[in-house]
Amino acid sequence: AQSVSQHNHHVILSEAASLELGCNYSYGGTVNLFWYVQYPGQHLQLLLKYFSGDPLVKGIKGFEAEFIKSKFSFNLRKPSVQWSDTAEYFCAVNNYGQNFVFGPGTRLSVLP
Amino acid sequence: DAMVIQNPRYQVTQFGKPVTLSCSQTLNHNVMYWYQQKSSQAPKLLFHYYDKDFNNEADTPDNFQSRRPNTSFCFLDIRSPGLGDAAMYLCATSRKPPGQGGYEQFFGPGTRLTVL
Repeated sequence: AQSVSQHNHHVILSEAASLELGCNYSYGGTVNLFWYVQYPGQHLQLLLKYFSGDPLVKGIKGFEAEFIKSKFSFNLRKPSVQWSDTAEYFCAVNNYGQNFVFGPGTRLSVLP
Repeated sequence: DAMVIQNPRYQVTQFGKPVTLSCSQTLNHNVMYWYQQKSSQAPKLLFHYYDKDFNNEADTPDNFQSRRPNTSFCFLDIRSPGLGDAAMYLCATSRKPPGQGGYEQFFGPGTRLTVL
C-alpha cells in the first residue's frame, strides 16, 4: 500500500521567511499529487494539484510545488510567508486503483 | 456556490447513544466520502459511496454505518459512540471514483463530535 510522509510535524517561521514543506510518497507508478491546507477552524481546501505536465505547479496564495519523480517528492514552497498562512498542511496522493492517502500533516506557525 | 455542507457543525452525544451526522452536496458528484480526523492527525477514510455502491475500508469499525438515499445526501451513523469516537468527521465529494485517478476531493467544514 502506498504511504505519504511529511518531513516536519511543526514548523515555526517569522513573517517574510521562505517556506519549504517536504512530502514523499512510496508508490512507484503514476500518481496524482495534492497539497491541502486547513486553516484554524476551517475545512480542508485544495492549495494545488499535479496530474501531469509541467512538474512545477503554481497554486493559490503564492504557493507552488515541484514534483520530482526520481525522488518521489512533491515539496511545497512559498518565497515569503505571512501570518495568515498559519495552518495545517496536508500532502495527499492518489493513483489509479487507490483512494486518496493523506500524509500526517505539518503544522505551520508564522510569527508576526 | 456549489459546495459540500455538513450539519450540524458541532454535535454532542452521550456514550452509547446513537448519533447521525449529515452531509449534502450541490456539486452533483458521483462519489461521497466520510473521513474521521482526530486532533493533529491526517484524515482517515472510513468509507465511500460511488453512486449507490458502498465501499467500506477494511479497518472501519462496525459501529460506523452510512446511508446515501440520493446523489445529494449522505449520512454517517454511529450506532454506539465510545469516547474514542470523539473526532472531527469530514465529508468529501469527487467527480470520479477511486480507481480512475486524476480527480480532487472537495471537503465540507466537518462536524465536531463530542462524546460525554
